[in-house]
Amino acid sequence: AQTVTQSQPEMSVQEAETVTLSCTYDTSESDYYLFWYKQPPSRQMILVIRQEAYKQQNATENRFSVNFQKAAKSFSLKISDSQLGDAAMYFCAYRRAGSNTGKLIFGQGTTLQVKP
Amino acid sequence: EAGVAQSPRYKIIEKRQSVAFWCNPISGHATLYWYQQILGQGPKLLIQFQNNGVVDDSQLPKDRFSAERLKGVDSTLKIQPAKLEDSAVYLCASSYAGPSYNEQFFGPGTRLTVL
Repeated sequence: AQTVTQSQPEMSVQEAETVTLSCTYDTSESDYYLFWYKQPPSRQMILVIRQEAYKQQNATENRFSVNFQKAAKSFSLKISDSQLGDAAMYFCAYRRAGSNTGKLIFGQGTTLQVKP
Repeated sequence: EAGVAQSPRYKIIEKRQSVAFWCNPISGHATLYWYQQILGQGPKLLIQFQNNGVVDDSQLPKDRFSAERLKGVDSTLKIQPAKLEDSAVYLCASSYAGPSYNEQFFGPGTRLTVL
C-alpha cells in the first residue's frame, strides 16, 4: 500500500524568506503523480503544484518549486519570498497514474506560519 | 465558473443520530469524491463516483455510511447511526472523468461534530 509521510507538523518562516516543507512517500508503482495542496483556515483545499513521476525536471509555479528525488522517494516544496497569505496547512499527496481511480493519498500535513 | 458546493457547512448531532451531507460538483465533472478529514490528519477517500457508478468505496464503513449519486450530478453522503469517531470534516471534490490526470477541485467541506 502506498503511504505519504510529512515529518514536520509545524514550520514557521519570516515574511520574504524561503522555507522548505518535506515529504516522503512509499510506493511500488513506477508511474504516479505527486502534489502539494494548500488548505487555508477556510478549509477549501487548493492545488499548489504537481509533479509527474516520469518527468525528471522539477515542477515550478511562480514562487513555489519542488525537489523531486524519485530514487529517494522524496518530494519537498520550496516557497520563496514567503507572503502572509501563504500561511496555511500544506498537504503532500500521491496518486497512481493510468487508472480510473483518482484516489489521492495524503500525508498528515504541515502547518506553516508566516511571521511579519 | 462556480466551484464545488457543499451543505451544510456545520452540523452538530448526538451519537446514534443520523446525518446527511450534500455536494454539487462543478458542472461537467463526471467524477465525484467524498473524503473524510479527521482533525490533525490528511483527508482519506471514502468513495469515488464516476457518473452515477461507484469506482472505489473500499474505505467506506458500509455498516453506517452510505452515499449515492442518482443522476450523475449531485451526491449525498449519509451516516446512520453516527459515532463519536465520525467527528471530522467531510470534503467533496470533483474532476473530469478518465484515467489520465485530471485535477480534483475541492469544496469548502462540512464540519461534523458528534456529541
